[in-house]
Amino acid sequence: KAGVTQTPRYLIKTRGQQVTLSCSPISGHRSVSWYQQTPGQGLQFLFEYFSETQRNKGNFPGRFSGRQFSNSRSEMNVSTLELGDSALYLCASRGQGRETQYFGPGTRLLVL
Amino acid sequence: AQRVTQPEKLLSVFKGAPVELKCNYSYSGSPELFWYVQYSRQRLQLLLRHISRESIKGFTADLNKGETSFHLKKPFAQEEDSAMYYCALLGSSNTGKLIFGQGTTLQVKP
Repeated sequence: KAGVTQTPRYLIKTRGQQVTLSCSPISGHRSVSWYQQTPGQGLQFLFEYFSETQRNKGNFPGRFSGRQFSNSRSEMNVSTLELGDSALYLCASRGQGRETQYFGPGTRLLVL
Repeated sequence: AQRVTQPEKLLSVFKGAPVELKCNYSYSGSPELFWYVQYSRQRLQLLLRHISRESIKGFTADLNKGETSFHLKKPFAQEEDSAMYYCALLGSSNTGKLIFGQGTTLQVKP
């Protein structure tokens, strides 16, 4: 099976802009979770989608949002970008229940 | 509060030496714990999870509920083990929320 894919891999934006990141899960996986990875805060959970519904949300401002489509692909959006949003954004997919999460390579976002 | 603590940012050992990467957790209930590894320029990948009780690449980890620990061990370190290691806790059931520790960089010197 193909692994989790994320596009784009690298992105440079300026403050105030918005950005959309995409994640394609492993075929058959219905759950997609998003994480932010920074040197200072480490890996932090953003949100999880399952069957197009947000099931869980981390402690991030409302500027961070996401959605999931019927084919399980997911997007996350960050509006009004701030310098502190510069990070590696990872998505992970899993099947059902408490199955293992498999991570994508990440999208590295730099906000100038 | 649900929390994972990895007290060491960096662990440096010589090839062939034993390795122990520490992980302590805070969770009320039956925890489900994982070790993930991130090699240089590679994606985060699962090393092992406690319910499977497997040994992967010579690594083992035992859940100690009394000490709320899930330390990762390997008897003889190899240079290819050099990587970033993350301990993670799966939150409440029916959710994919992983709570990660800050990570420990393992450096295995020749």
